[in-house]
Amino acid sequence: GENVEQHPSTLSVQEGDSAVIKCTYSDSASNYFPWYKQELGKRPQLIIDIRSNVGEKKDQRIAVTLNKTAKHFSLHITETQPEDSAVYFCAASWVTGGGNKLTFGTGTQLKVEL
Amino acid sequence: SAVISQKPSRDICQRGTSLTIQCQVDSQVTMMFWYRQQPGQSLTLIATANQGSEATYESGFVIDKFPISRPNLTFSTLTVSNMSPEDSSIYLCSGGGGDYEQYFGPGTRLTVT
Repeated sequence: GENVEQHPSTLSVQEGDSAVIKCTYSDSASNYFPWYKQELGKRPQLIIDIRSNVGEKKDQRIAVTLNKTAKHFSLHITETQPEDSAVYFCAASWVTGGGNKLTFGTGTQLKVEL
Repeated sequence: SAVISQKPSRDICQRGTSLTIQCQVDSQVTMMFWYRQQPGQSLTLIATANQGSEATYESGFVIDKFPISRPNLTFSTLTVSNMSPEDSSIYLCSGGGGDYEQYFGPGTRLTVT
């Protein structure tokens, strides 16, 4: 089955700096890679995703890049703000007709310091 | 995006008992999923809830322990049976309006004493 590794486990940055979280996956058939943000005591929230036919996707301050050859993908947050502090999870799945099963990474605790 | 609700939000149960968690989606979704999240840990898929057929369980999870129902395209239940303290966790359901995006319910925090 799919295996997703995520690094780093914790990341501390100064407000305004950039943050990068990296993930690798094992199953070359995986074709969908979402990122979730989970604040303490809350549900995971989908913040951005990328499909295997795209190399990069951007939404305001966040961007995701995908390297299918190397089987890794990354989340980039620019101009970090205190409200970006949360746990971020990457995930990978092979989307078949009607839905997909997500395999999650181990999570990154991001702390944005003033 | 799909809006997902769960009931109960939390419960404290005695060992040996069972708890049924309900998951409601505000629109029809083809597949719904149940995950478990231990405190401070990542999410682990328990099973895929299929409408009109038996759920598909992941390795390490069995139907006798986690029976699942999916009577229609907007509703599913997960039962945690014969509970032990090791079952204490957060249980989340998810679903999606399309084939890709998946949205999560708020979770059910279960404590087994």
